[in-house]
Amino acid sequence: DAKTTQPNSMESNEEEPVHLPCNHSTISGTDYIHWYRQLPSQGPEYVIHGLTSNVNNRMASLAIAEDRKSSTLILHRATLRDAAVYYCILDSGSARQLTFGSGTQLTVLP
Amino acid sequence: DAGVIQSPRHEVTEMGQEVTLRCKPISGHDYLFWYRQTMMRGLELLIYFNNNVPIDDSGMPEDRFSAKMPNASFSTLKIQPSEPRDSAVYFCASSLVLGRWNTEAFFGQGTRLTVV
Repeated sequence: DAKTTQPNSMESNEEEPVHLPCNHSTISGTDYIHWYRQLPSQGPEYVIHGLTSNVNNRMASLAIAEDRKSSTLILHRATLRDAAVYYCILDSGSARQLTFGSGTQLTVLP
Repeated sequence: DAGVIQSPRHEVTEMGQEVTLRCKPISGHDYLFWYRQTMMRGLELLIYFNNNVPIDDSGMPEDRFSAKMPNASFSTLKIQPSEPRDSAVYFCASSLVLGRWNTEAFFGQGTRLTVV
């Protein structure tokens, strides 16, 4: 299975943009890139996903490298409520399952 | 919809006892997943169902663990007998598959299990 690599932790100041990187050098052509986050004491929640093109939604933006070997989740203005573990996940579609790695613990400083 | 509902939210039991965790998925979703989360191992997929049928249970740690989905609106994860190393937060999630890819998976709030 294709794997992802993320930094263990990152810090950001409140109201500043945050760029969370993810490397997936063994991604296959049909793998979707999903991002989930887990707030303290809650279950994971969906953030965004994409295949080849950059994607935007109300929560975040997803920038996908042209070779698809890496992607970046962008939070445009971090708030204290964005402090969470962010998971980058590849979805091949065949198994219909999400395999979570260790994720990036994002700390937002006031 | 109220989302994925899990019960109980917390469970404390003694070693050797049977534990049953319950999950009500979002109506209309055709996939249901059971995950376990610990500090040491992170989020692990235990088993998932499609249209109430178990598809992959390779993540179930031992025969002490079993899961059922008798209908589209209910699933259980049972541990018998329970052991202290089963202490973890257990999450249920559901999703809807459209074409080749999953729509987003919705997770419940989890059941925190403590086996003493």
